[in-house]
Amino acid sequence: GENVEQHPSTLSVQEGDSAVIKCTYSDSASNYFPWYKQELGKRPQLIIDIRSNVGEKKDQRIAVTLNKTAKHFSLHITETQPEDSAVYFCAATFQGAQKLVFGQGTRLTINP
Amino acid sequence: DTGVSQDPRHKITKRGQNVTFRCDPISEHNRLYWYRQTLGQGPEFLTYFQNEAQLEKSRLLSDRFSAERPKGSFSTLEIQRTEQGDSAMYLCASSLVLDEAFFGQGTRLTVV
Repeated sequence: GENVEQHPSTLSVQEGDSAVIKCTYSDSASNYFPWYKQELGKRPQLIIDIRSNVGEKKDQRIAVTLNKTAKHFSLHITETQPEDSAVYFCAATFQGAQKLVFGQGTRLTINP
Repeated sequence: DTGVSQDPRHKITKRGQNVTFRCDPISEHNRLYWYRQTLGQGPEFLTYFQNEAQLEKSRLLSDRFSAERPKGSFSTLEIQRTEQGDSAMYLCASSLVLDEAFFGQGTRLTVV
């Protein structure tokens, strides 16, 4: 079926350490993989995305890696800061890039 | 037009009543999604449109839910005979095909 599994559901790290969130998807034809950040009471906002023709993408402290063979992709946040605390969602397209399906989310807490 | 707007932001209704929500996407976006989000969960796909065509409706969605996008512009989501289990945040998002989906602020529905 059309499924995106996200782990862990909660993650707590010390400020300055790195955080990694992983997602797996079920459709080998999926070709677009965005990551969203949602702060309490606010809308989800895109922080980074990757397409299937690329294995890794980086934007300052945030990076995403994609392993198409294993059908998983990961979000890496380095030098974490308190403002990184939020819920993070991964997503993947299904049915030939027709619809976007989300993972269940990871609540990231950065401890000062 | 600087983003996706949803109306109303909050709706409290009695069980059994009908409710209708509106979403105005970013003007040049041809794709429009509706999602439902409950506390602690990721956005759950409901339906999506490309221009005025409704391409898919989630199998999890009962016949009480209907959505329209006349003329490929704004969209409405109607819930008939509301139930307490319908209480959730209803999110609308718009995008160009295979590109970043921008979310609205959502409509929080409470069924009492």
